[in-house]
Amino acid sequence: GENVEQHPSTLSVQEGDSAVIKCTYSDSASNYFPWYKQELGKGPQLIIDIRSNVGEKKDQRIAVTLNKTAKHFSLHITETQPEDSAVYFCAASRRGSARQLTFGSGTQLTVLP
Amino acid sequence: SQTIHQWPATLVQPVGSPLSLECTVEGTSNPNLYWYRQAAGRGLQLLFYSVGIGQISSEVPQNLSASRPQDRQFILSSKKLLLSDSGFYLCAWDQGYSSNQPQHFGDGTRLSIL
Repeated sequence: GENVEQHPSTLSVQEGDSAVIKCTYSDSASNYFPWYKQELGKGPQLIIDIRSNVGEKKDQRIAVTLNKTAKHFSLHITETQPEDSAVYFCAASRRGSARQLTFGSGTQLTVLP
Repeated sequence: SQTIHQWPATLVQPVGSPLSLECTVEGTSNPNLYWYRQAAGRGLQLLFYSVGIGQISSEVPQNLSASRPQDRQFILSSKKLLLSDSGFYLCAWDQGYSSNQPQHFGDGTRLSIL
């Protein structure tokens, strides 16, 4: 089955700096890669996703890059703000009747004011 | 717009007691439905998913079961809870792979087993 590894497990940045979180996956058939933000006591909220036919996607301060050959994808957050502090999860899934997501272990991002 | 509801938000149960967690989705039809478990400080593990009424697929062997009695209702159950069943249980839905729509999560149920 799919295995997703996520690094780092914790990340502290100064407000205004950039943050980068990296994930690798094992199943070359995976074709969908979402990123979720989870605040304390809440369910994960989708922040951006990318499909395997695209190498990069951007939404305001958030961008995701995908390298299918190397089987890794990354989340980039620019101009970080204190409200960006949360746990971020990457995930991967392959083609099928249902989208069975395999999640990374999460990154606790802390943005220091 | 579509919404997903889970209840209860928190639950404390003794070892050996039964369990029933409920999830409902509004504003859509024929959704795929999912149950995940999140251990403290860990990622999410898919437990069950359903592509239609009465259709349940299990991802990991465990003490839990799932049922889908109605199109937009998904239930997670156990006959006898174990200490290891403690965790944060999340329900999610999407509109199916072919729609290219993402998966959305509820706010979860925090289950503590004593």
